[in-house]
Amino acid sequence: SQTIHQWPATLVQPVGSPLSLECTVEGTSNPNLYWYRQAAGRGLQLLFYSVGIGQISSEVPQNLSASRPQDRQFILSSKKLLLSDSGFYLCAWSVRAGWDTIYFGEGSWLTVV
Amino acid sequence: SQQGEEDPQALSIQEGENATMNCSYKTSINNLQWYRQNSGRGLVHLILIRSNEREKHSGRLRVTLDTSKKSSSLLITASRAADTASYFCATVPYGNNRLAFGKGNQVVVIP
Repeated sequence: SQTIHQWPATLVQPVGSPLSLECTVEGTSNPNLYWYRQAAGRGLQLLFYSVGIGQISSEVPQNLSASRPQDRQFILSSKKLLLSDSGFYLCAWSVRAGWDTIYFGEGSWLTVV
Repeated sequence: SQQGEEDPQALSIQEGENATMNCSYKTSINNLQWYRQNSGRGLVHLILIRSNEREKHSGRLRVTLDTSKKSSSLLITASRAADTASYFCATVPYGNNRLAFGKGNQVVVIP
């Protein structure tokens, strides 16, 4: 069966520090991969999605970037965090062919102080 | 981007009662999905209904879709305390391969 792992689960970072959140998927090949952000009490905002290695689409301009160095690995990064980057970040995957069920990781809580 | 809007945004009910949530959207869709999120956790897919379907069941869940009104409803029958969570609808619009989520509907089931 397929599983998705996301880490770290929680982190507190000072303003201006770098960020790296990692996500890996097991049990499937060529998945679509996504990074979402969820601000407190709000819905999910799609940040990035990827349909293959090295292929990244950015949905909104921001202080973040994403990379997909391997088929089942998706990384969310920032060189210098802002206070507004605080939130709950969710990695997710779906079958490459379409936008049916999306499977989410357990999320990473980021607090920028 | 296309987004569903859930209504009501917060719902508090007694255990055993039914909970009904509605979702409205703005443009034609390929499918509509409902997800559940327990506090501080990732989202879990509940059910998907395609644009050519009108009703779907899964256990105690019943989803309807009215494409003429651009709306969907999620009914949880015989609610349990464990159903306490936020529920999100998400849509995939025609010609736009994005899954866009609404802001969510918080449901509290009181034992």
